[in-house]
Amino acid sequence: EAGVAQSPRYKIIEKRQSVAFWCNPISGHATLYWYQQILGQGPKLLIQFQNNGVVDDSQLPKDRFSAERLKGVDSTLKIQPAKLEDSAVYLCASSLRTGEDTEAFFGQGTRLTVV
Amino acid sequence: DAKTTQPPSMDCAEGRAANLPCNHSTISGNEYVYWYRQIHSQGPQYIIHGLKNNETNEMASLIITEDRKSSTLILPHATLRDTAVYYCIVRVASGGYQKVTFGTGTKLQVIP
Repeated sequence: EAGVAQSPRYKIIEKRQSVAFWCNPISGHATLYWYQQILGQGPKLLIQFQNNGVVDDSQLPKDRFSAERLKGVDSTLKIQPAKLEDSAVYLCASSLRTGEDTEAFFGQGTRLTVV
Repeated sequence: DAKTTQPPSMDCAEGRAANLPCNHSTISGNEYVYWYRQIHSQGPQYIIHGLKNNETNEMASLIITEDRKSSTLILPHATLRDTAVYYCIVRVASGGYQKVTFGTGTKLQVIP
């Protein structure tokens, strides 16, 4: 089966610019996650969708980050304006549902460098 | 949230068993223990999960203590390709949905 697709793979922008990342989850997966992974740290959950509804965005910096999941399938994560500390790998993951026994599948991530 | 504690790094000789410990002393009765690994420049990869009983699949074995306060991931015959950061995660129930919260993990170095 096809995995979680993310694009772009790499992105370099200047601070105060805007950027958007795209994620296509595994077909049929109801739950979609966006994580931020700063170098040397574990992934940090930014936002979690169940179908097209947000179930957790408690760690999303809402003054500059936004995310949407139209029609409960693809998702985009946007940063506007970017700061130097936003340099990280942004990972998208999906799972069939949100039950305790459901594994999450991760994409390759988008490496963002803010200069 | 149930926290997990892992050693920051471990070495293992190629061909030997790698035993990666995880402490989760505040785990609740209905929370699963999951293990993921992350090879350099890739997204995390699911390995195995369990609730109470020991589990085994083609990648690894998971041993959970009877009191469920700790677990051990076993890679029976480590290869160089097993060099990665291994994350032990407790699936947390919150408001009817599950969160997948990562810690800092254990960096496993398999040595030739």
